[in-house]
Amino acid sequence: DSGVTQTPKHLITATGQRVTLRCSPRSGDLSVYWYQQSLDQGLQFLIQYYNGEERAKGNILERFSAQQFPDLHSELNLSSLELGDSALYFCATTGPGTGELFFGEGSRLTVL
Amino acid sequence: EDQVTQSPEALRLQEGESSSLNCSYTVSGLRGLFWYRQDPGKGPEFLFTLYSAGEEKEKERLKATLTKKESFLHITAPKPEDSATYLCAVSDLQSAGNKLTFGGGTRVLVKP
Repeated sequence: DSGVTQTPKHLITATGQRVTLRCSPRSGDLSVYWYQQSLDQGLQFLIQYYNGEERAKGNILERFSAQQFPDLHSELNLSSLELGDSALYFCATTGPGTGELFFGEGSRLTVL
Repeated sequence: EDQVTQSPEALRLQEGESSSLNCSYTVSGLRGLFWYRQDPGKGPEFLFTLYSAGEEKEKERLKATLTKKESFLHITAPKPEDSATYLCAVSDLQSAGNKLTFGGGTRVLVKP
């Protein structure tokens, strides 16, 4: 158990809809990273927050957005969903100065 | 742009048959190279961090090594429970926020 909690574990929705994925980091971790993993793309970095501020941005679509709240939990919002957005979405956190990421169990999104 | 290439894509081993996985990388400046294990439908599990060429780390039947251009994950006398996808990732000194760039992974199947 990494200590990183993600909800929901599974989500099935329709094209055009909007969903919110939630991540609670390990106690004391200030950074939150979001990754998308699909069969043909592997693990792709989306965005990182550090103590409430956006720190780095990767291949995140304009239809997607994220934020980190004062209690350090983070949410990833996915809107105008398309079939191709079906994937596993992982949240990860890191301790100060260590560099390695600790991943949650992921949220599996299926868009029908 | 950072690049990570893993080979082979898949590996079938008999129990006890040792083998090596390769991870070739291109970064502006290596902050760290990371190995993860991922079981189906689960989040990646951290294994090792390597920081400089010549460094080696071991954990049970796994040993990771690092050169200036590649890393190897050696699996000695594997058991069926070593079956998983092994992911390699790099962190670039010039990238904001310590994000990791992942390779496509090597799927390892160990048959009894």
